[in-house]
Amino acid sequence: GAGVSQSPSNKVTEKGKDVELRCDPISGHTALYWYRQRLGQGLEFLIYFQGNSAPDKSGLPSDRFSAERTGESVSTLTIQRTQQEDSAVYLCASSGSGRTYNEQFFGPGTRLTVL
Amino acid sequence: AQKITQTQPGMFVQEKEAVTLDCTYDTSDPSYGLFWYKQPSSGEMIFLIYQGSYDQQNATEGRYSLNFQKARKSANLVISASQLGDSAMYFCAMRGFMTTDSWGKLQFGAGTQVVVTP
Repeated sequence: GAGVSQSPSNKVTEKGKDVELRCDPISGHTALYWYRQRLGQGLEFLIYFQGNSAPDKSGLPSDRFSAERTGESVSTLTIQRTQQEDSAVYLCASSGSGRTYNEQFFGPGTRLTVL
Repeated sequence: AQKITQTQPGMFVQEKEAVTLDCTYDTSDPSYGLFWYKQPSSGEMIFLIYQGSYDQQNATEGRYSLNFQKARKSANLVISASQLGDSAMYFCAMRGFMTTDSWGKLQFGAGTQVVVTP
């Protein structure tokens, strides 16, 4: 597709369950980012992948959060043993390279609700 | 460390008028970029405009312009001739280009909710 896609669009889960969120970046984009947006707040950085380099995991809030990326394509964000405070919209973004700056293009997000 | 501050939680503006959204920042990175994004009620994040810290001129994109005052560490967004479709949340964001801890990731402000009235 032309833009960043994410699935599922909505996810409702019970406290303690694991969830997987998927992101398909724009084809050819080398960088991929995950952010979290709690209701009424700004975006919090979670993790950043750039090509084959080691990811920047500095924003992951706890060891229950992890993410993987296969080459320069799909990424999966996994949250284990979900807690109610994990309820948020999880946004994925991708960006290209070769310019002085590279704006990040965002997907529509996955709205996670933990009951 | 980086920090973005948007002090206006919400603003009302009349159609066809201009509105200025405030953004101040702090960073230790000598080279950085400032971005503005629009988030309508649908939730998508739409890139509006970019300003590099070493750019000589203020950025403009159509009805959007960025009033960049480096010494004051401010990067205010000006929307001219507001339209009803401009009603949305607006986020200021920054990324660094030189220091490891700021490279790549965007640091976002809390956002300003703009409501355009007829």
